[in-house]
Amino acid sequence: GQQVMQIPQYQHVQEGEDFTTYCNSSTTLSNIQWYKQRPGGHPVFLIQLVKSGEVKKQKRLTFQFGEAKKNSSLHITATQTTDVGTYFCAGRHSGGYQKVTFGTGTKLQVIP
Amino acid sequence: DAGVIQSPRHEVTEMGQEVTLRCKPISGHNSLFWYRQTMMRGLELLIYFNNNVPIDDSGMPEDRFSAKMPNASFSTLKIQPSEPRDSAVYFCASSGAIGPSYNEQFFGPGTRLTVL
Repeated sequence: GQQVMQIPQYQHVQEGEDFTTYCNSSTTLSNIQWYKQRPGGHPVFLIQLVKSGEVKKQKRLTFQFGEAKKNSSLHITATQTTDVGTYFCAGRHSGGYQKVTFGTGTKLQVIP
Repeated sequence: DAGVIQSPRHEVTEMGQEVTLRCKPISGHNSLFWYRQTMMRGLELLIYFNNNVPIDDSGMPEDRFSAKMPNASFSTLKIQPSEPRDSAVYFCASSGAIGPSYNEQFFGPGTRLTVL
């Protein structure tokens, strides 16, 4: 079946350090979304990437979609304690209506 | 808009009992998703509906699980009989077909289910 893997599973960083999580799909994606889930909360949509090689920025967050549309990354510059949470990518495959396959998630802990 | 509404927020029940989880999607959204989240298995899609019709229920664990969407503003996920391994947080999410938030999934606060 369609699988979306993320690495690393966990990441501890010192506040101010950078952080990157990587997302890989077993099949080509129509688009990819990123969500953030705070501890005890629910996933919240961050962004959607559609085009091959697309790069989008949200303040300290940079999202990239691979040329082959099978991988993606999220990079956070100068992490803050408010960045704590689990980051999920979610890939949409063609013909899947609005269904997406969520990745395994990367749990980020920021040490003050 | 109040967002996606789920009830109850917490449910504690005993093995063998029937459990019904409820969801009210965002008005105007035409897709509804039920997810289950556990530490071991992560975020799993159980079933999703498009225009009230079940499209893909391949994620439903077994016959003990059933879901319905009788109208555009209400869905239920039922577990009968419940087992301890069903303990998890169950999320409902909805998304719309048009507009700036197209394809974005809005999650409810979740129902934390504990089966003793």
